[in-house]
Amino acid sequence: DGGITQSPKYLFRKEGQNVTLSCEQNLNHDAMYWYRQDPGQGLRLIYYSQIVNDFQKGDIAEGYSVSREKKESFPLTVTSAQKNPTAFYLCASTEDYLNGYTFGSGTRLTVV
Amino acid sequence: DAKTTQPPSMDCAEGRAANLPCNHSTISGNEYVYWYRQIHSQGPQYIIHGLKNNETNEMASLIITEDRKSSTLILPHATLRDTAVYYCIVLFLNNAGKSTFGDGTTLTVKP
Repeated sequence: DGGITQSPKYLFRKEGQNVTLSCEQNLNHDAMYWYRQDPGQGLRLIYYSQIVNDFQKGDIAEGYSVSREKKESFPLTVTSAQKNPTAFYLCASTEDYLNGYTFGSGTRLTVV
Repeated sequence: DAKTTQPPSMDCAEGRAANLPCNHSTISGNEYVYWYRQIHSQGPQYIIHGLKNNETNEMASLIITEDRKSSTLILPHATLRDTAVYYCIVLFLNNAGKSTFGDGTTLTVKP
């Protein structure tokens, strides 16, 4: 079945460490997105990529970095510069924008 | 991007229709209205979208007012599994498909 796989589902890291969240899709979608969700709140856009080797900052990109070396993969690195990284992170993709996003099941990151 | 306003919470009796409103008074002519829902700790699920005509699919109906400043998502026969957070977003397709999800409406379906 086609879909988006995010791994791991739960991630614990010490403060000050960089951590990379995986997002892989086999839907052949060109566009991919990373969103952050805090408890009881909506989704905020971190980064997005419309094609391979190209990506753009979203509304809250500070403290995050991404790469898009392959169409299928859009990993997100949460750096030590992100002041409050504990959150639920969601990856999404779309084929042609019109048919909406397909979301992964999310990664819950806890920094201790 | 146009902003949306939704009530924070709503209740609905099981088997009855759930009508979820959304205001998007600053919507422009080429922006679509999309609805998603998110069950706790999962990724949001696409429900339906529309531009100016009413739309229906196997999950729900979308009613958009003639001036396009508001819309209503209708779940015709709500079940307990429809309990979720429902997000209404406005999307300009030529804006790289990016959008911001507000806080949504928490729908609780009660037996």
